[in-house]
Amino acid sequence: DAGVTQSPTHLIKTRGQQVTLRCSPISGHKSVSWYQQVLGQGPQFIFQYYEKEERGRGNFPDRFSARQFPNYSSELNVNALLLGDSALYLCASSIRDGNQPQHFGDGTRLSIL
Amino acid sequence: AQSVTQLDSHVSVSEGTPVLLRCNYSSSYSPSLFWYVQHPNKGLQLLLKYTSAATLVKGINGFEAEFKKSETSFHLTKPSAHMSDAAEYFCVVSERGFQKLVFGTGTRLLVSP
Repeated sequence: DAGVTQSPTHLIKTRGQQVTLRCSPISGHKSVSWYQQVLGQGPQFIFQYYEKEERGRGNFPDRFSARQFPNYSSELNVNALLLGDSALYLCASSIRDGNQPQHFGDGTRLSIL
Repeated sequence: AQSVTQLDSHVSVSEGTPVLLRCNYSSSYSPSLFWYVQHPNKGLQLLLKYTSAATLVKGINGFEAEFKKSETSFHLTKPSAHMSDAAEYFCVVSERGFQKLVFGTGTRLLVSP
């Protein structure tokens, strides 16, 4: 079975641009979460979606937004990119909400020039 | 608020010797605790999790961790290190019933021949 897949794997943008990152959860998983991992640090929670509804939001500015589609895939959008947005963006999926193990994809490496 | 403190940023061991990675947690509620491993340029893999059952938790690849409420600790151990264990290890806490994971800053495990 395929694991969590994220696209693209790498992305280079310039300051002020907008970016969309994509995530396909494991088949049968209905919950998707997004994390930002800055180099040398642990991942930080951005969003969680379950059954297409936002269930949690981390301490990130409104430039960050996300959505989940009927097939449970998800997109993370970041507007007005800043140099500090350079990071590895990780997507995790789980079968349902609550205390379920989360399975991570390999991430999208976003570099801002 | 929940948090975890990983007491060592780097741990160096020789192949075949025991591994100890230390983690203390802080949580207002009964926590769920996890250890994740991250190999270079990869996503995160779940090693083991504690939710509320046995305090000694066995995970994959010979790793185990013991939940000690009195010490607010959740240290990760392995009897004998392999070269393939070299990676970044994250101690993680979540409020039971919720998906948001709070990561520590990570411990880099170096294994020498």
